[in-house]
Amino acid sequence: GAGVSQSPSNKVTEKGKDVELRCDPISGHTALYWYRQSLGQGLEFLIYFQGNSAPDKSGLPSDRFSAERTGGSVSTLTIQRTQQEDSAVYLCASSRDSFLAKNIQYFGAGTRLSVL
Amino acid sequence: TQLLEQSPQFLSIQEGENLTVYCNSSSVFSSLQWYRQEPGEGPVLLVTVVTGGEVKKLKRLTFQFGDARKDSSLHITAAQPGDTGLYLCAGAPDGGSQGNLIFGKGTKLSVKP
Repeated sequence: GAGVSQSPSNKVTEKGKDVELRCDPISGHTALYWYRQSLGQGLEFLIYFQGNSAPDKSGLPSDRFSAERTGGSVSTLTIQRTQQEDSAVYLCASSRDSFLAKNIQYFGAGTRLSVL
Repeated sequence: TQLLEQSPQFLSIQEGENLTVYCNSSSVFSSLQWYRQEPGEGPVLLVTVVTGGEVKKLKRLTFQFGDARKDSSLHITAAQPGDTGLYLCAGAPDGGSQGNLIFGKGTKLSVKP
């Protein structure tokens, strides 16, 4: 596609429910990243996928968070048993190759998650 | 833990004024990027600097990478209301896998007409 697409753009859920956030990266990009941006904060790295390599999950804040990337394209970030502190904007980015020095990432518009 | 400290956190100026935003770290980065983010949108890349001491210009924006590749600055000349937004610096850790970027918390710029 022309850019990174994320859905839904907004998600309101009740505490304790599970949510799935979707990211469709730019076609041909091998690297995909998930970040979380809380109000007034910078971007917090969550997880990244590079081709067929094992994902770097070092940024996931708890075992309630997981992500998968099927067929090297679309990715889903799942948050189980959501808590109010999970409320944030979840941003997805993709890049052609994470091992290039410049590592230019292209971001989607994000999913704004509100946990009531 | 590698951190990027941005300053100031907030900046409100009048149209036509100049400003500088700083991004500092005690760690070395192989490259550093500046992004601009508008409300409801994802960050959009403005520039990438790779070489220590490098200076890049983008119209009224001047970006500089420190000689030791630990810090960077963004200078805007004659700011305009269209420059309003959140400016984020992000660094690729030196010697790292380049897999993820370390982001600063951002500088929220407001330019009043």
